[in-house]
Amino acid sequence: DSGVTQTPKHLITATGQRVTLRCSPRSGDLSVYWYQQSLDQGLQFLIQYYNGEERAKGNILERFSAQQFPDLHSELNLSSLELGDSALYFCASSGKIDPEQDHQETQYFGPGTRLLVL
Amino acid sequence: AQKVTQAQTEISVVEKEDVTLDCVYETRDTTYYLFWYKQPPSGELVFLIRRNSFDEQNEISGRYSWNFQKSTSSFNFTITASQVVDSAVYFCALSAPVWNTPLVFGKGTRLSVIA
Repeated sequence: DSGVTQTPKHLITATGQRVTLRCSPRSGDLSVYWYQQSLDQGLQFLIQYYNGEERAKGNILERFSAQQFPDLHSELNLSSLELGDSALYFCASSGKIDPEQDHQETQYFGPGTRLLVL
Repeated sequence: AQKVTQAQTEISVVEKEDVTLDCVYETRDTTYYLFWYKQPPSGELVFLIRRNSFDEQNEISGRYSWNFQKSTSSFNFTITASQVVDSAVYFCALSAPVWNTPLVFGKGTRLSVIA
């Protein structure tokens, strides 16, 4: 158990709909990352938050957005869903060490949310 | 730009055989971090190892060992005496040395260990 939790585990919805995926990081971790795993694109970074602020953006569609709340949990919102958005969405967390230090910590991943858009 | 290549898409071995999973990376950074993760059939991503580019020592953890060669930009992973429970997809990943940056993953190698 990595200590990162994600809900729901599975989500089935229809095209055009909107869904929200939720992530709780490991205790004390300040950074949350969202990744998408699809058959054709592999594992791709979407977006990162650190202590409530957006820190890095990857290949995230404009239809997708995220936020990190004061209690450090994060939500990924996917709207106007298309068939191609079907994927496994992972949340990872890290970041106990002082950001002044130049050091890459290990990212621990949650179990993922499997999204199926029909 | 950073890139990770895992040329082996799928590998199948018989139990107790040794198997090596290849990982080749590209980066312009002089320092960087390398990772291996395991994704068993249940789907979660399990952290295996993190390696700083300054540290070129090979590492062994039980039946797992890692061979880091900066000269060939490779970070290969060997499983000794493979077991059925090792069946999974294994991902190699790379990150910049800046504090807590996103990971760049390879496409993964699916390992099947047959009893």
